[in-house]
Amino acid sequence: EAGVAQSPRYKIIEKRQSVAFWCNPISGHATLYWYQQILGQGPKLLIQFQNNGVVDDSQLPKDRFSAERLKGVDSTLKIQPAKLEDSAVYLCASSFNDSPLHFGNGTRLTVT
Amino acid sequence: SQKIEQNSEALNIQEGKTATLTCNYTNYSPAYLQWYRQDPGRGPVFLLLIRENEKEKRKERLKVTFDTTLKQSLFHITASQPADSATYLCALAFYNQGGKLIFGQGTELSVKP
Repeated sequence: EAGVAQSPRYKIIEKRQSVAFWCNPISGHATLYWYQQILGQGPKLLIQFQNNGVVDDSQLPKDRFSAERLKGVDSTLKIQPAKLEDSAVYLCASSFNDSPLHFGNGTRLTVT
Repeated sequence: SQKIEQNSEALNIQEGKTATLTCNYTNYSPAYLQWYRQDPGRGPVFLLLIRENEKEKRKERLKVTFDTTLKQSLFHITASQPADSATYLCALAFYNQGGKLIFGQGTELSVKP
């Protein structure tokens, strides 16, 4: 089966600019997650979708981060405006029911 | 709040030896615990899952134990190989967190030939 696809792989922006990341989960996986992984740390959940509904966005900085999954398949995560501390790898994952997570290879964001 | 701790220092072992990685947690017991492997520049890859009522799980050269009294899971790789070098993450799902997976910071394993 095809894995979780993410793009772009790398992005460099200046602070206060905006950026968007795209994720295409594994076909048939209803649950989609966005994680933030800062260097040397484990992934931290930002938002979880079940189909096109939000299940958990308690750790999403909603003043600058937004995410959507309009048709219950692809998802985009946006940051506007970016801060230096947003420099991290943004990982998308998907799962079927309560199965383990399948991760994409992430987007490495550098904010200068 | 819930805390998960893994060995923060990298683990260096010789090829053929058994690698043992530790995952400790505080407060509530998790519904289940998972171990993932992460290579540089890649996303984590699922390895094993163990539930709260299970003591041990095995898969090929991998073994996971789960002690809810000690609030600890151990992850063993027997007959280690240089290809096992990676960062290993434990992730716990707690009933009081709606089943959300919370990851530890990971332990870097280096297996020398």
